Amino acid sequence: DTGVSQDPRHKITKRGQNVTFRCDPISEHNRLYWYRQTLGQGPEFLTYFQNEAQLEKSRLLSDRFSAERPKGSFSTLEIQRTEQGDSAMYLCASSREGGLAGGIDEQYFGPGTRLTVT
Amino acid sequence: DAKTTQPTSMDCAEGRAANLPCNHSTISGNEYVYWYRQIHSQGPQYIIHGLKNNETNEMASLIITEDRKSSTLILPHATLRDTAVYYCIVRVAKAAGNKLTFGGGTRVLVKP
Repeated sequence: DTGVSQDPRHKITKRGQNVTFRCDPISEHNRLYWYRQTLGQGPEFLTYFQNEAQLEKSRLLSDRFSAERPKGSFSTLEIQRTEQGDSAMYLCASSREGGLAGGIDEQYFGPGTRLTVT
Repeated sequence: DAKTTQPTSMDCAEGRAANLPCNHSTISGNEYVYWYRQIHSQGPQYIIHGLKNNETNEMASLIITEDRKSSTLILPHATLRDTAVYYCIVRVAKAAGNKLTFGGGTRVLVKP
């Protein structure tokens, strides 16, 4: 178990450029989540995959954002035409369905990708 | 999901117990109380969860009041490595999107 990994850890981009982040979940976890965190705030949910199916998307996920999880393994989050307001930490988490008592999940978070849009 | 209220910050002496309160007066009968923490520059980390009964694991204890309107996370012997933001989250077991809804949390500073 090597934990959830994210790449890159830091990304600086100019406004209007596209960026793509990658998340590699813990290998046996079938659920994957993306969150966004701005300075001083708690993480905000963006989207959720069960295997390769994207089952939930937050209203925060505008049409400039797209997430994929081909083959139910790694996931990518792409932001098109970045804006300064997109500057944030993007966190990925994974879990195993019903991993805890009560049928609930323990979400394991990666270290995040810090995006700065200049 | 029920809303939670936590103090913005608190200090704790190293080696002493840290008691972190959380109010969730609108909690429903099928909602669990979860605690996560986030150490600086890391992703959040699960600590503990409970429904009605008090719970204990290797990291902490969770005390839930009988009416379930509030709870306390107890770190029995705080260390400097426990300095983090602690989030109290209330949600049903199978929430839509399985999402966690984080509030502002409590910033805990453990002092030597």
